[in-house]
Amino acid sequence: GDSVTQMEGPVTLSEEAFLTINCTYTATGYPSLFWYVQYPGEGLQLLLKATKADDKGSNKGFEATYRKETTSFHLEKGSVQVSDSAVYFCALSPPLGGFQKLVFGTGTRLLVSP
Amino acid sequence: GAVVSQHPSWVICKSGTSVKIECRSLDFQATTMFWYRQFPKQSLMLMATSNEGSKATYEQGVEKDKFLINHASLTLSTLTVTSAHPEDSSFYICSAIKGLRGSEKLFFGSGTQLSVL
Repeated sequence: GDSVTQMEGPVTLSEEAFLTINCTYTATGYPSLFWYVQYPGEGLQLLLKATKADDKGSNKGFEATYRKETTSFHLEKGSVQVSDSAVYFCALSPPLGGFQKLVFGTGTRLLVSP
Repeated sequence: GAVVSQHPSWVICKSGTSVKIECRSLDFQATTMFWYRQFPKQSLMLMATSNEGSKATYEQGVEKDKFLINHASLTLSTLTVTSAHPEDSSFYICSAIKGLRGSEKLFFGSGTQLSVL
């Protein structure tokens, strides 16, 4: 079945460092890909998404590119802030799958220190 | 933005007791809500789909008699873990769909950490 693999955390960075959180997937066809973020005490919220190969999703300085050839959707940010400390979930949805078919990764905790 | 409230945030209970977790959509009506759980170092997994006014749909391997879901109103779904055991200790999250087909968005609760002693 479909699956998502993301790097184990926590990822610990200093403020203004470059961030990469790796995410690879296994799926049939062309799924949609998502990054969700969960800030402390809050629910997951959609950070960005890409629906087809070579699409780049971006939001709040974060970006991720849908790479069909490497089945990856790595999350990057050029300069992290303390306020980016959160848990980041990579997810996919099969074609025409809808919310019920969302497949999540394990989540990666990011800790940014001043 | 829309808010989904989930309570309690954490609960500790004795083995054999039942625990109820509430999921409320605070500023919208949700015909459909979802329940997930996440064991340590594992993926967030869908347990069941909760539909207002009808029976929940459970994913394969999830015991419907153990995890009772009630979605009696358009703003509230509850998950009751009956006769909880230590292996039920997990992080439980709910989510709710807001909007009409074609413009739907998904909003999540903040989760409930259940520890069964």
